[in-house]
Amino acid sequence: SQTIHQWPATLVQPVGSPLSLECTVEGTSNPNLYWYRQAAGRGLQLLFYSVGIGQISSEVPQNLSASRPQDRQFILSSKKLLLSDSGFYLCAWSSGLAGLSYEQYFGPGTRLTVT
Amino acid sequence: GQSLEQPSEVTAVEGAIVQINCTYQTSGFYGLSWYQQHDGGAPTFLSYNGLDGLEETGRFSSFLSRSDSYGYLLLQELQMKDSASYFCAVYGDSGYALNFGKGTSLLVTP
Repeated sequence: SQTIHQWPATLVQPVGSPLSLECTVEGTSNPNLYWYRQAAGRGLQLLFYSVGIGQISSEVPQNLSASRPQDRQFILSSKKLLLSDSGFYLCAWSSGLAGLSYEQYFGPGTRLTVT
Repeated sequence: GQSLEQPSEVTAVEGAIVQINCTYQTSGFYGLSWYQQHDGGAPTFLSYNGLDGLEETGRFSSFLSRSDSYGYLLLQELQMKDSASYFCAVYGDSGYALNFGKGTSLLVTP
């Protein structure tokens, strides 16, 4: 069966510090991968998605970046965090086999607080 | 661009039926999905409508009318554990990633 892992689960970082969040998927190949951010009590904002190694599409211009160094690994980074970067970061995957896959599977999330 | 509109909050009594509506605007339409998210948890997939009509999965049903750019999620025999946020979602213009509505917070009361 497929599983998705995210770490760390919680993170408190000062303004101006760097960020690296990691997401890995097991049990599937060539998944589509996604990063979302959710502010407290708000909806899900799509940040990045990737349909293959090295292929990253950005949905919202900001001080965050994403990379996909391996097929089932997706990394979210920042060189200098802002207070507005606080939120709940969710990684998700969907099957890349059939083009459109309406079902996405989410990881447990990372709760980031920038102080 | 795209937009999805759903009510921000709904309250219902245990055992009742509740309907959560979603209207959308999108240039290319590939179907409407619904997700459930409990407080502090990750969203989980509930249902998908690619064609007009009703899809039923246990106590949950979802409906789509493409001509009206409208869908709804119907929850029957409400239980306390159904208290959660519910999101409708459509594919973005790229066709690869879902864009979510702002969510409807459902509170089920005794």
